[in-house]
Amino acid sequence: DAGITQSPRHKVTETGTPVTLRCHQTENHRYMYWYRQDPGHGLRLIHYSYGVKDTDKGEVSDGYSVSRSKTEDFLLTLESATSSQTSVYFCAISELAGGPGDTQYFGPGTRLTVL
Amino acid sequence: AQKVTQAQTEISVVEKEDVTLDCVYETRDTTYYLFWYKQPPSGELVFLIRRNSFDEQNEISGRYSWNFQKSTSSFNFTITASQVVDSAVYFCALSEAGNGNEKLTFGTGTRLTIIP
Repeated sequence: DAGITQSPRHKVTETGTPVTLRCHQTENHRYMYWYRQDPGHGLRLIHYSYGVKDTDKGEVSDGYSVSRSKTEDFLLTLESATSSQTSVYFCAISELAGGPGDTQYFGPGTRLTVL
Repeated sequence: AQKVTQAQTEISVVEKEDVTLDCVYETRDTTYYLFWYKQPPSGELVFLIRRNSFDEQNEISGRYSWNFQKSTSSFNFTITASQVVDSAVYFCALSEAGNGNEKLTFGTGTRLTIIP
């Protein structure tokens, strides 16, 4: 199994508060991704990173920011959480050097509830 | 734009029956990659298979088999002699080589329930 951990695993917060989710990998892989999973939508890409300090937006990036100061850590921040951001968030890493053909391996997920 | 359709929202079959999960994709690229993932009730996402657009050979892995047909833009997944442990949500996903943003596009998933 790919060495990917996410923290926290569960979080309940209130509207308007900042929230940071952490993804940590032990595989030294270059590419890391954040997805959200919602009923009826499957998984949708929020942001991804192709190296330290190199990030780009995905399909549903509004309201989210990311940072990657170390190869092993990829942080997802909700600056001011809203109820529409209640979701399950998955981090993923891709094997090899990264690229569209690479398999992505997923972390265990973080269930976030915004009241 | 790339798109993946899993028209079957939920399927229930009795244990030991065979079941096929459908996946239809749309892409403008000639080079692309297709994936299947399993999400059991525990919630993690488990990689099952990766297939590139130049390899149309069907693949079999134990009770699992995949039928890739470019002519119909389909990448269907069959479980033979289903077991209760196969109960999960299954996602089909697509990645385009020319996309440039390393994006995996997922279908909405098919929830499979195996009835003992």
